[in-house]
Amino acid sequence: KAGVTQTPRYLIKTRGQQVTLSCSPISGHRSVSWYQQTPGQGLQFLFEYFSETQRNKGNFPGRFSGRQFSNSRSEMNVSTLELGDSALYLCASSLDQGVFEQYFGPGTRLTVT
Amino acid sequence: AQSVAQPEDQVNVAEGNPLTVKCTYSVSGNPYLFWYVQYPNRGLQFLLKYITGDNLVKGSYGFEAEFNKSQTSFHLKKPSALVSDSALYFCAVRDPSGAAGNKLTFGGGTRVLVKP
Repeated sequence: KAGVTQTPRYLIKTRGQQVTLSCSPISGHRSVSWYQQTPGQGLQFLFEYFSETQRNKGNFPGRFSGRQFSNSRSEMNVSTLELGDSALYLCASSLDQGVFEQYFGPGTRLTVT
Repeated sequence: AQSVAQPEDQVNVAEGNPLTVKCTYSVSGNPYLFWYVQYPNRGLQFLLKYITGDNLVKGSYGFEAEFNKSQTSFHLKKPSALVSDSALYFCAVRDPSGAAGNKLTFGGGTRVLVKP
């Protein structure tokens, strides 16, 4: 079974621009979560989508948004990029019934200059 | 609010020696606990989880973890460390009520260095 895929793997953007990151979950997984990883703040939860609905949201400004499509693929968008948005963005998918572990993709490394 | 603490930023161990990575948690109710490992330029890989039942949980790659409710700990262990175990290890907790969906709260991570 193919794992979680994320595109692109690396991205360089300029302050003020916007960016869209994509995540394809493992086949059959309907829950997709996004996390931001930085050296200073560690791993922080951004949001979770299930059946095209945002189920939970972390403590991030409104510049961070996401969506999920009917095939469970998910995108996250960051508008008006700031230098502090430079991070590794990780997507994770899981089955929803019961307590299942999340499977993570390789991440998208975003650098804002 | 739930939280996880990993008190050691780095653990150094000689190859063949036992490896322990510490984790303590704070959550209301019975916790759902997880360990993940991250290799350089990679995402997180699931190692093991505790939901309920036996306090000793066995996972991938020879790792195991011991759940201790009275000490609110979930330490990761491996009897004989390998150089290839050198990586960044994360402990995580999930809200047992389900109110937060699948949201994981992670500890700060512990870097493990296994020397030959």
